[in-house]
Amino acid sequence: DAMVIQNPRYQVTQFGKPVTLSCSQTLNHNVMYWYQQKSSQAPKLLFHYYDKDFNNEADTPDNFQSRRPNTSFCFLDIRSPGLGDAAMYLCATSWELSEAFFGQGTRLTVV
Amino acid sequence: RKEVEQDPGPFNVPEGATVAFNCTYSNSASQSFFWYRQDCRKEPKLLMSVYSSGNEDGRFTAQLNRASQYISLLIRDSKLSDSATYLCVVNGPHTGGFKTIFGAGTRLFVKA
Repeated sequence: DAMVIQNPRYQVTQFGKPVTLSCSQTLNHNVMYWYQQKSSQAPKLLFHYYDKDFNNEADTPDNFQSRRPNTSFCFLDIRSPGLGDAAMYLCATSWELSEAFFGQGTRLTVV
Repeated sequence: RKEVEQDPGPFNVPEGATVAFNCTYSNSASQSFFWYRQDCRKEPKLLMSVYSSGNEDGRFTAQLNRASQYISLLIRDSKLSDSATYLCVVNGPHTGGFKTIFGAGTRLFVKA
């Protein structure tokens, strides 16, 4: 049974049109992460929530926002997607600093 | 210096070979360490946690050397199915909380 679920698996959006990616978890983990992964590169941490505390990476563009309305759900909002934002977006969860469990990812295409 | 550095790849090895990957980290206060495996166009999946005492899971052995700040992964008797990218992951304290950092990954190709 999937424990970290991302929707949709594939998302096509227009240049500049806001898009929201979602992630839910059944593990009751307190930490949730969003990563961006481009082809042949390692996952790059955008931000994470430690419980309700939001932690933004210094080099994450302002174009990327996140919401965590409750323990189970976390959203990634891209306010004005550019061509350079096309990537795989991975959500992960962990309990404290233990191993992270990843969702299957959302592959974003910007046209 | 990158926070987490891995051996550059790709590694091309024949079936049955033993292959070793190394990973170094810069933050001496790092607290937890992992190896993940990622197949093409799939999400990373945990391969092993890494402990100071070393740990083994079948053909895979992981070790941590805190003094030298590196972790290693040894794969014995390589199988075709071991072909993937192996990612070193380090968790540790960071301004405002903690940080999970991935290495760039090392690609492994196992050939018949």
